Amino acid sequence: NAGVTQTPKFQVLKTGQSMTLQCAQDMNHNSMYWYRQDPGMGLRLIYYSASEGTTDKGEVPNGYNVSRLNKREFSLRLESAAPSQTSVYFCASATVWNTEAFFGQGTRLTVV
Amino acid sequence: EDQVTQSPEALRLQEGESSSLNCSYTVSGLRGLFWYRQDPGKGPEFLFTLYSAGEEKEKERLKATLTKKESFLHITAPKPEDSATYLCAVQVGGPSSGSARQLTFGSGTQLTVLP
Repeated sequence: NAGVTQTPKFQVLKTGQSMTLQCAQDMNHNSMYWYRQDPGMGLRLIYYSASEGTTDKGEVPNGYNVSRLNKREFSLRLESAAPSQTSVYFCASATVWNTEAFFGQGTRLTVV
Repeated sequence: EDQVTQSPEALRLQEGESSSLNCSYTVSGLRGLFWYRQDPGKGPEFLFTLYSAGEEKEKERLKATLTKKESFLHITAPKPEDSATYLCAVQVGGPSSGSARQLTFGSGTQLTVLP
């Protein structure tokens, strides 16, 4: 039972490049989330998906897009990376009421 | 605006020296308060959920309590393996679409337990 799997684990991008962060969960959870974690600022919600077919903006959505491909997979896309998007990105999944969120291992992204 | 503040930012304890971490919150309509543990280079790991003032939860050397304005994570006789960053989060009402609820996280307390 893998839980929440994120790929890649590390990535370096040049300013203006695009990339997609992948996330998959095998716990049959309805809700999935993308967070970013920066020093001293805690985890901030970028986008979330309450269920397959729905997505909503979180606290810091600018510069990102998401796709809920199916119940298992939720991807995060950076269309034109900026240095301000250097961060550690976490995907999480939860039951409908988000009472216990399970997190992936994170993707450490550096934009130069 | 929903706010979650954790204190202290960092805490160093000797093995066996009990202490408490604080999480104070300002939200409209608390649905739940969560504690997570995060080890370096890893994702947060769920510890507890508290739903109402007066509620307490325990797990090994950890005990979480909740009041109307704050939560405490009490660590009794800590061991070096308890060293981690402890995150607090509150569950708030989300937009009308779907039934997911957002979590607002504090910035964490980095705990170091020295042998």
